[in-house]
Amino acid sequence: QKEVEQDPGPLSVPEGAIVSLNCTYSNSAFQYFMWYRQYSRKGPELLMYTYSSGNKEDGRFTAQVDKSSKYISLFIRDSQPSDSATYLCAMRAAAGNKLTFGGGTRVLVKP
Amino acid sequence: GAVVSQHPSRVICKSGTSVKIECRSLDFQATTMFWYRQFPKKSLMLMATSNEGSKATYEQGVEKDKFLINHASLTLSTLTVTSAHPEDSSFYICSARGSGDRVAYEQYFGPGTRLTVT
Repeated sequence: QKEVEQDPGPLSVPEGAIVSLNCTYSNSAFQYFMWYRQYSRKGPELLMYTYSSGNKEDGRFTAQVDKSSKYISLFIRDSQPSDSATYLCAMRAAAGNKLTFGGGTRVLVKP
Repeated sequence: GAVVSQHPSRVICKSGTSVKIECRSLDFQATTMFWYRQFPKKSLMLMATSNEGSKATYEQGVEKDKFLINHASLTLSTLTVTSAHPEDSSFYICSARGSGDRVAYEQYFGPGTRLTVT
């Protein structure tokens, strides 16, 4: 079993819909949770980062962390075709440097 | 803020030659930089962690003599693929961990370098 599980998709939604992404993990030591967006043939771009449990909102993006369930989510409101990309969750323990990534979910927003 | 650049963006080399890839943090200082490799439609695989002024720490299975990493300053790390072979063809991505008030204490990634070995 992988440390971080993420559905590879593709997840196809119509423009304007809410995109819902999630990851589950097994390591209870993880304290910091990130979401990255990666366009084809580009490096990942940091979208959201959250410490411990709770919600964080930034524009159209909302990140949620439920440590009791070892489950994190990213919601994208009013999705646009430009949101079409692969979304990677990543997490790390408080004391460590290394990030553990999910496999990524490919998202397609259709006009 | 938190911009990381990589150079070159794409390189084609012949088998047996060496290739150097540069990673720079443009608007912040990065005491720690990371090098990843990514295969098509796969997630990132960490190769090594490099701290400024010290030797890199390589992940299990990564040959340190083949993938030479130098982190000589707080804004520059280099990855040299020595005696490259076709199986080294891949997408190489660096990241720099942010520090300071303007950037989060998380990894910011460069745009990647596509290496093709013929």
